[in-house]
Amino acid sequence: AQSVTQLDSQVPVFEEAPVELRCNYSSSVSVYLFWYVQYPNQGLQLLLKYLSGSTLVKGINGFEAEFNKSQTSFHLRKPSVHISDTAEYFCACLIQGAQKLVFGQGTRLTINP
Amino acid sequence: ETGVTQSPTHLIKTRGQQVTLRCSSQSGHNTVSWYQQALGQGPQFIFQYYREEENGRGNFPPRFSGLQFPNYSSELNVNALELDDSALYLCASSLRNVLNTEAFFGQGTRLTVV
Repeated sequence: AQSVTQLDSQVPVFEEAPVELRCNYSSSVSVYLFWYVQYPNQGLQLLLKYLSGSTLVKGINGFEAEFNKSQTSFHLRKPSVHISDTAEYFCACLIQGAQKLVFGQGTRLTINP
Repeated sequence: ETGVTQSPTHLIKTRGQQVTLRCSSQSGHNTVSWYQQALGQGPQFIFQYYREEENGRGNFPPRFSGLQFPNYSSELNVNALELDDSALYLCASSLRNVLNTEAFFGQGTRLTVV
């Protein structure tokens, strides 16, 4: 079975500081990887995805993530955060050809002025 | 704005009642998936519908059922509601194509069971 672990439940950072949200996955087969953002009382918005090819993936709002197969990780980074980045972030994996996304527990990113 | 709309946005039901949640998929999308997101948790896959048939199911009891209509919209039905069914229910639409694995989510329906 596949699983996704987000190593930090909460990450507080100061505005304009860099941030990394950590994600590890477990799967015996190839997967696609995603990061979603959820603002309060909203659904999920796709930030970026890794399907194949370059291991460094750039997404919306200045976020990027790096796929590391040997470490089974897909960490999300942003060099300088803004107050508006305050939200819940979810890492997810999808088995190639399968139906369901498997989500991590989420990381709450709080930006302090 | 993803084009996936869910109704209602909020709902309060009593334990033992039945509820129907609705989802209109994004134009051109033929697959709808439903997820349950309990407070403080990540979304959990309930099931997926493709061409009006269930096409994969998560670890949810049979009292969770669904439908997909010819226009690809979908309903999630939950019978005999329990307090633990209180959650945000998310619908996601996608195009069943091996090259396109992106799912677009609606804003969710927040169900409270009292």
